[in-house]
Amino acid sequence: DVKVTQSSRYLVKRTGEKVFLECVQDMDHENMFWYRQDPGLGLRLIYFSYDVKMKEKGDIPEGYSVSREKKERFSLILESASTNQTSMYLCASSSLWGSNQPQHFGDGTRLSIL
Amino acid sequence: SQQGEEDPQALSIQEGENATMNCSYKTSINNLQWYRQNSGRGLVHLILIRSNEREKHSGRLRVTLDTSKKSSSLLITASRAADTASYFCATHGRNNRLAFGKGNQVVVIP
Repeated sequence: DVKVTQSSRYLVKRTGEKVFLECVQDMDHENMFWYRQDPGLGLRLIYFSYDVKMKEKGDIPEGYSVSREKKERFSLILESASTNQTSMYLCASSSLWGSNQPQHFGDGTRLSIL
Repeated sequence: SQQGEEDPQALSIQEGENATMNCSYKTSINNLQWYRQNSGRGLVHLILIRSNEREKHSGRLRVTLDTSKKSSSLLITASRAADTASYFCATHGRNNRLAFGKGNQVVVIP
């Protein structure tokens, strides 16, 4: 089974801090994704990556950046955390760009910015 | 970006009953996928239906797709308490992204 592991289930940070969320997958997937999930808004795509060192903006990239130095790891960075970034963050991976493949999700990181 | 929209938003049923959820979307798709999310957890993929398919089964799940109406339905037969979760439809379009609906909460009462 595919396993997508997010480094923290719960995280509390302060406004203005630089925050790193880490995600690791063990199935050699090319594609990795970061979403945020908010009540009433569903899942929204922040960034995704289809190869090492490649990244593309999703629907809401403002205030975020990403890093993919190794195929198995995709990091989400909040450059200067703000309270409106309090949310559930979900990482996902999938194989083969553009094919009919499902995404596999981690258990999420619930981030609170105080 | 395009969004799937589930209907109804919340459903409460007795164990053993069937649960039906609908999803509509706006643009052309490659496939449509359904996911389940248990409280506080990540999403789990349930079933994928390609744009040239009309119906697909997996265990107690039945998915239909009507591309002319841009809609899909998910039927869970003989529901169990363990089926209590939120269910999301997601469309995979030409931009190679998944666009998720807002989710449909299902509560199965034992």
